[in-house]
Amino acid sequence: DTGVSQNPRHKITKRGQNVTFRCDPISEHNRLYWYRQTLGQGPEFLTYFQNEAQLEKSRLLSDRFSAERPKGSFSTLEIQRTEQGDSAMYLCASSLATGTLYEQYFGPGTRLTVT
Amino acid sequence: AQSVTQLGSHVSVSEGALVLLRCNYSSSVPPYLFWYVQYPNQGLQLLLKYTTGATLVKGINGFEAEFKKSETSFHLTKPSAHMSDAAEYFCASRRGNQFYFGTGTSLTVIP
Repeated sequence: DTGVSQNPRHKITKRGQNVTFRCDPISEHNRLYWYRQTLGQGPEFLTYFQNEAQLEKSRLLSDRFSAERPKGSFSTLEIQRTEQGDSAMYLCASSLATGTLYEQYFGPGTRLTVT
Repeated sequence: AQSVTQLGSHVSVSEGALVLLRCNYSSSVPPYLFWYVQYPNQGLQLLLKYTTGATLVKGINGFEAEFKKSETSFHLTKPSAHMSDAAEYFCASRRGNQFYFGTGTSLTVIP
């Protein structure tokens, strides 16, 4: 068990550029979640996948955001035409959907700064 | 909507003193409840969880929490604070397939 990994850890981009983040979940976990965390706030749910299917999306997820999880393994989160308000920590979590527990394991996050 | 409220965005305690971090949930049906800890520039680590059964839940690093339905609370405690406990703590609930996090409580431990 190597844990959830995220790359890059930090990203600085100029407004209007596109960025893509990657999340590698714990290998046997079939659920994968994306969250956004701004300073002084708790994580806010963005979207989640069960295997390769994207099952829920938050209203926070504007049309500029897209997430994929090809083959039900790693996931990518892309933000197009970044805005300064997109600056945040983007967290990924994975879980094994058995029983009713769905305990989540978080990655270290990708900190995005939009200048 | 399911939500949790953390009372007190900052808590300071002396080393060796009791730690009490407050969380209240809003729901007519008891949800699944969690406490997470986050150290600077790191992801969240699960401290403990309540699902069903025993209302006093023990977690890692000496933390425990008690689920009180009558008070809709799930406060986190630790009898004796260590310097290494200084971090951000988040209460969370799960309803369906979504998790809802509180705004966090920053714990400072004074030597």
